[in-house]
Formats: sequence, C-alpha cells, structure tokens
Amino acid sequence: EPEVTQTPSHQVTQMGQEVILRCVPISNHLYFYWYRQILGQKVEFLVSFYNNEISEKSEIFDDQFSVERPDGSNFTLKIRSTKLEDSAMYFCASNPDSYNEQFFGPGTRLTVL
Amino acid sequence: GESVGLHLPTLSVQEGDNSIINCAYSNSASDYFIWYKQESGKGPQFIIDIRSNMDKRQGQRVTVLLNKTVKHLSLQIAATQPGDSAVYFCAEPPRNTPLVFGKGTRLSVIA
Repeated sequence: EPEVTQTPSHQVTQMGQEVILRCVPISNHLYFYWYRQILGQKVEFLVSFYNNEISEKSEIFDDQFSVERPDGSNFTLKIRSTKLEDSAMYFCASNPDSYNEQFFGPGTRLTVL
Repeated sequence: GESVGLHLPTLSVQEGDNSIINCAYSNSASDYFIWYKQESGKGPQFIIDIRSNMDKRQGQRVTVLLNKTVKHLSLQIAATQPGDSAVYFCAEPPRNTPLVFGKGTRLSVIA
C-alpha cells in the first residue's frame, strides 16, 4: 500500500541553524501539507501546497519557513533559523484532491538545542 | 477558532469492552467528517469517514454515528484491544481550507 515517507525520523540542531525536513508524498497525489505537533499539544496546520505554489498557510508559517517541491517526488520544509520553540513533530500529508482524507507520514521529530 | 471539539480528554476501558468517543462540531454546513487515530510517536492515521447524507457508517470493529440535529459525532470501537490505545481525533475537512484537529481523546486500554 502506498504511503507518505519522511526523513529524517529525528533531527537535532542548534538554535539558529537551518534545517530541511523531507517528505515523499504518495505518487499520484496533488495536494501536500505540513503540520506540526508540539509535545502534548494538538496537531497544527502549517501550510498547504498545490500546483507548485502555496495555497494556504497559517500564522505559524512565517518568513522563517519555506516549502519546495524540487522534483517530481520530494516535498520539503525548510526552517531558516531555528528557534527553541520550533521543537516539535513535523508531519507531512498528501491527498489526491482537497476534499478527501489526508494521508500522513510518520513524522520528523525536530529538537532544537 | 476550532470547529471541532471533544467531550473528554481521556477514556479508559477494559480490554474486550466497547469504547465510545464523542465529538461535537459547530458548523451546521459541514458535510464530511473523518476520524483519525494517532499512536504514540506516529502520524495521524485515517480510521473511518462519514458524509452528512448518512447517519451511520461501519468499518471493521468501528462504527461512526452522526447526529446532525445536535451536531455530534461518535466513534464506537467494538471489543477494544490493547492496539487501540491511542489519541483519537475527529476532523472536519472543509473544502479548500486546512484540516482542523481538536486536542483529541486519549484512549487507554486496560488489559
């Protein structure tokens, strides 16, 4: 069964460093998303992406964040200068159209020291 | 703000018993709902969905009930197993806007 994959599973970085979180969505899906979940809190939407551009973003997704689909398979989230409060699980999701269920990846645990 | 919410933050059930997890929504125009399960350290996983033209939908050991009059959803898990221990979210995937999750209900299964 096709699934969303994410790498790395755990990323540790120093405050102020740049990180890139990678996702490979399901191959025939057209809509891509990033969410984050701070430990013990709810899953929060960051950004949605369709047709090679951002379709919606939350207030969390400020200028420190960017997304890219550099090729036909990868979908990346970049945080330019990490802060302690960026420590969270980051989930990528995709779906074939925006009306149906989203398929989530296993997540990347980001720890900012 | 949130358009979906959950009545209880935690639920403990004995293995083999049935579990019922409840969810309320506020938008009477909502026409599609999804239940997700999130196990510790993993991403949310689709369990079952229901559209507003239905009152009930059954899957394998799970049933979702939709009461549009009081804007209430419930997820019933039959013969709850240890592997059912997780946080359960109801979500309302509105068209063209982000998926909104509530805090979830943590289901603990007591062996």
